[in-house]
Amino acid sequence: DAGVIQSPRHEVTEMGQEVTLRCKPISGHDYLFWYRQTMMRGLELLIYFNNNVPIDDSGMPEDRFSAKMPNASFSTLKIQPSEPRDSAVYFCASSLWTARGNTIYFGEGSWLTVV
Amino acid sequence: DAKTTQPNSMESNEEEPVHLPCNHSTISGTDYIHWYRQLPSQGPEYVIHGLTSNVNNRMASLAIAEDRKSSTLILHRATLRDAAVYYCILRDPSNTGKLIFGQGTTLQVKP
Repeated sequence: DAGVIQSPRHEVTEMGQEVTLRCKPISGHDYLFWYRQTMMRGLELLIYFNNNVPIDDSGMPEDRFSAKMPNASFSTLKIQPSEPRDSAVYFCASSLWTARGNTIYFGEGSWLTVV
Repeated sequence: DAKTTQPNSMESNEEEPVHLPCNHSTISGTDYIHWYRQLPSQGPEYVIHGLTSNVNNRMASLAIAEDRKSSTLILHRATLRDAAVYYCILRDPSNTGKLIFGQGTTLQVKP
C-alpha cells in the first residue's frame, strides 16, 4: 500500500485566500484524523472521522476551518479565509480499529505558509 | 484521556542503548501504552505498544512497571537515524480511536 497520501506537500498562500488540503487514507481503514503541528502548540487533533462520519471536531480552531469526508478514500480540510496564524504542518492519518486498539498511520504532511 | 509525563530531551551516543522513560500515574486498567516517534520533517510513526507485559519488536522494547504507572522505551543500539521526538501516549481502545500527543522527548544521538 502507498500509505496515507496528502496533497499539496507545500503551499504558500496570501492571507484571505482559501486553502484546501487533501488526503487519501490507506484503503480499508475506517478512521481518518486531521492533525495540525506548530512549534508553539505541538501536535493537535483537529477532527476525526469514523466510517466517513465526523465523530469529534472539538479541536477545529474556528469556523474558518471545515473538513469533509465524502467517501472512504478521500477527505479535505479547508481554511477560508486563511490567516498567517494558520501557518503549520497539517497531517492526515488513518487507522483500522481492532479490539486491541489501532495503529495510526500518518501522511508526510502538508506544509502551509500564509503570508 | 490520562496524562503522561516525559523528559523534554535526552542524549545518547551512537550504538549505545537508550532508555526513554514515561510516567503515567493516572493510567486506567484498560489503557494501552503506545509509543510513536517523529523523525525530522516527517509524520509520526508507530513504534510499539503494550498493556501489562513487556513487549519486543524489531524497532524497540517496551518495559512496563508492575503497577503500570510508568514505562520505558528501550532502543537497544541507537543509530543516528533514531534521532527523533518520542511520544508516550495512553489509549483506551474501547473508547475512541484518537491519539492525543503530549510534548514528547527529543532524542539526540551523537556519533
